[in-house]
This record gives sequence, C-alpha cells and structure tokens, in this order.
Amino acid sequence: SAVISQKPSRDICQRGTSLTIQCQVDSQVTMMFWYRQQPGQSLTLIATANQGSEATYESGFVIDKFPISRPNLTFSTLTVSNMSPEDSSIYLCSVGAGREAFFGQGTRLTVV
Amino acid sequence: AQSVTQPDIHITVSEGASLELRCNYSYGATPYLFWYVQSPGQGLQLLLKYFSGDTLVQGIKGFEAEFKRSQSSFNLRKPSVHWSDAAEYFCAVGELSGNKLVFGAGTILRVKS
Repeated sequence: SAVISQKPSRDICQRGTSLTIQCQVDSQVTMMFWYRQQPGQSLTLIATANQGSEATYESGFVIDKFPISRPNLTFSTLTVSNMSPEDSSIYLCSVGAGREAFFGQGTRLTVV
Repeated sequence: AQSVTQPDIHITVSEGASLELRCNYSYGATPYLFWYVQSPGQGLQLLLKYFSGDTLVQGIKGFEAEFKRSQSSFNLRKPSVHWSDAAEYFCAVGELSGNKLVFGAGTILRVKS
C-alpha cells in the first residue's frame, strides 16, 4: 500500500494567481497521477508524472496551465496557473502500488 | 478508448433494503475493475477490485461485485443497506496494471429511514 500526503488541503485563491499543490508518498513509486474533480463531477485524469521525464498530459490539459514537477520517486507538484473560477475543483494525487491506485485526500481549490 | 458508464446518477433505497449499482465498461483487453466510495468531504476509499479469477469479488463494508464479461458489466451489490452507506460511488477501469484509472460519472446513493 501507499500513504499519500497532499498539501494544502484547501485554499481560496484570487483569479489570475497560481497555486502549487504538493504530493508526498511514503514509498518510492514509478508513476504518479494527478486528477481533477470539478464540483458535482467525476474524476478526470490531468496527467501522468514519471520521475526523470516530462509529464504526459491527457486531452484537454496543457503544460502551460498545469505544469508538473517530479523531482524524485516520492514527490510531485501540480501547479494550477493563471486561475479562473472554472478551476475551482478538488485536485487529487494518486500513485500506483501493485495493481491498485491509492489516493491522497485531495486539495479543495476555490477561485474567487 | 476505455470508458465507464454508470447509468444511474442518483439512487434512493430504504435502510435495510438491498442495493445494486450498475457499471458498464468498454475496454479492449481483460480489465482491471474497481469500485470506490467517496463520502462528503472525504477522500476516495477502495471498496473492492477485480483483476482475474472468481468473477464474484467481496469487498469491505459488506459490498460485493460481479464481473460479467458477456455484458461488460461490474455491478456493485449489498444485501442490506445502512444509513452510513449514503455516499457517492464510482466505478473505474484501470490501465497500466490498474494504476491509471478511468472513472464513471458516479452514482449518488441516498438512504431513507
């Protein structure tokens, strides 16, 4: 299994600013994933982050808006850039261990 | 591309009644299938998973699910619902050995006393 810590747990941000979300895992993992859950919606994968390479983004998500860092095998960050109210969502970090995905508690972002 | 359909957005059941939440998937190979539960303000909790073998899988909190390849379904069941089961339930299919997930839209379960 894997234990994931996400920071911050919630934040209220002004439009036009950026927020960086941190994800720390208690073990080394090859792949980390970032998901977005818009209000009342399901989870959508933003990107897959592998250590030592560029993140792979899903359709509809771009690096300029959601830059990701993966400096080592236990840590990743997701930045939400130039925020607008439409970015208000829960952002979740996930890692794979064995044949299972584990999730952090999420970051609840409100953009005003 | 992989996809998951949960046809019921909301379901209301009486406490003590049985429950079945539907899930259909589209996947080219043998799927890794999961059910997660999300309570208000809480993170995702894994209820159960299917990789291979016995098509009836048991999970936590008294839940079970049955994989039916011919129907591309993985329905979640519980024989007797408790008020604490009120939550949102997500079915998901896994790529990359189950690590990368495609989620269904979710089903909100309401339990009436």
